[in-house]
Amino acid sequence: GIQVEQSPPDLILQEGANSTLRCNFSDSVNNLQWFHQNPWGQLINLFYIPSGTKQNGRLSATTVATERYSLLYISSSQTTDSGVYFCAGKGGSNYKLTFGKGTLLTVNP
Amino acid sequence: GAVVSQHPSRVICKSGTSVKIECRSLDFQATTMFWYRQFPKKSLMLMATSNEGSKATYEQGVEKDKFLINHASLTLSTLTVTSAHPEDSSFYICSAGEAGLAKNIQYFGAGTRLSVL
Repeated sequence: GIQVEQSPPDLILQEGANSTLRCNFSDSVNNLQWFHQNPWGQLINLFYIPSGTKQNGRLSATTVATERYSLLYISSSQTTDSGVYFCAGKGGSNYKLTFGKGTLLTVNP
Repeated sequence: GAVVSQHPSRVICKSGTSVKIECRSLDFQATTMFWYRQFPKKSLMLMATSNEGSKATYEQGVEKDKFLINHASLTLSTLTVTSAHPEDSSFYICSAGEAGLAKNIQYFGAGTRLSVL
């Protein structure tokens, strides 16, 4: 299966700052999702983005499928953005989503 | 958006007892559901794929007799941890994707925190 690498592993920001999280894939993906895991463990769907760019409020994501990476942008960060951000991908005929190790984001007031 | 309900959210049990966790797709049908396990500060590890009307597919290293999966309908999958022991304590999460859609976006339940004493 594919390997998923996320960076950075940890990120500490002051409220209002912007950030970029990165996800690299070892092979082509036909399904790519970004999630936010809140402090209670719930995984919240942020984007389904196997290619292209999408925006939702202060969040946006870009996937460059040919170069096997995806970026998640968080602008004007808020303390409620804190938590772990995961990307996960699925490639070829594989039915399984493979998760990266996540980025732990802490936004301080 | 699609909603996946998982119950219970937390369970504490004695060693040797069995625990059943339910995963329901509330507003869509799911021919396939997935069960994950997550250790503290770690990523999600796929345990098994639950297929409606057939046997589950287990990942390498996951004991099928320990983690029994049943997917009796298009909206319900259950995971039973049999004869639970303290090392089974973990956070278990299920997911489902809407059947028949090309996108196959996975939606996740809120998770079940299992503590075995």
